[in-house]
Amino acid sequence: DIQMTQSPSSLSASVGDRVTITCQASQDISNYLNWYQQKPGKAPKLLIYDASNLETGVPSRFSGSGSGTDFTFTISSLQPEDIATYYCQQYDNLPRYTFGQGTKLEIK
Amino acid sequence: EVQLVESGGGLIQPGGSLRLSCAASGFTVSSNYMSWVRQAPGKGLEWVSVIYSGGSTYYADSVKGRFTISRDNSKNTLYLQMNSLRAEDTAVYYCARGITRRYFDYWGQGTLVTVSS
Repeated sequence: DIQMTQSPSSLSASVGDRVTITCQASQDISNYLNWYQQKPGKAPKLLIYDASNLETGVPSRFSGSGSGTDFTFTISSLQPEDIATYYCQQYDNLPRYTFGQGTKLEIK
Repeated sequence: EVQLVESGGGLIQPGGSLRLSCAASGFTVSSNYMSWVRQAPGKGLEWVSVIYSGGSTYYADSVKGRFTISRDNSKNTLYLQMNSLRAEDTAVYYCARGITRRYFDYWGQGTLVTVSS
């Protein structure tokens, strides 16, 4: 099975900061990676698909990059409404999917 | 507008059965890839099962042989039949649409299943 390791597991940042989360796959998954945002008590929301493509309607301060085993999710300027837990998800071994363990983002 | 509304969750004893429903609107369930994803209290997301537009079904190893995913095209509704429930099945269960197999682009609000005596 493909394992996804996110880091950090939690982080605290100030409004306006650049925030970066990484996701490492246990084997090469090309660009078969998505990023989701989950606010407390809410369902996850797709932000980035295929490693770097911004989902329609998602603010441009969110971005993703990477391929192979190492991926990065970035918020260019943190806003108060970005407080959430972020998950990566791989789809290299369809029909099964694997999520990372999540990164909880808080405001400092 | 795409909407997914889950129902059927509740408190059930270990070994019991429960059927979850996910009523869809704004799109056709049978033309998309429909999944169930669960989240144990305070934990991360775990994919459970998917049904393809062609009808093929797949399961996570943790639920294979106990859970069955299905759909009713006339009702535009997705189901998850859960048998032989265990304490570790306690979670919020989300239904999610995939317009492709690659990602989940719409999610329901979730329904809580608690397995406890």
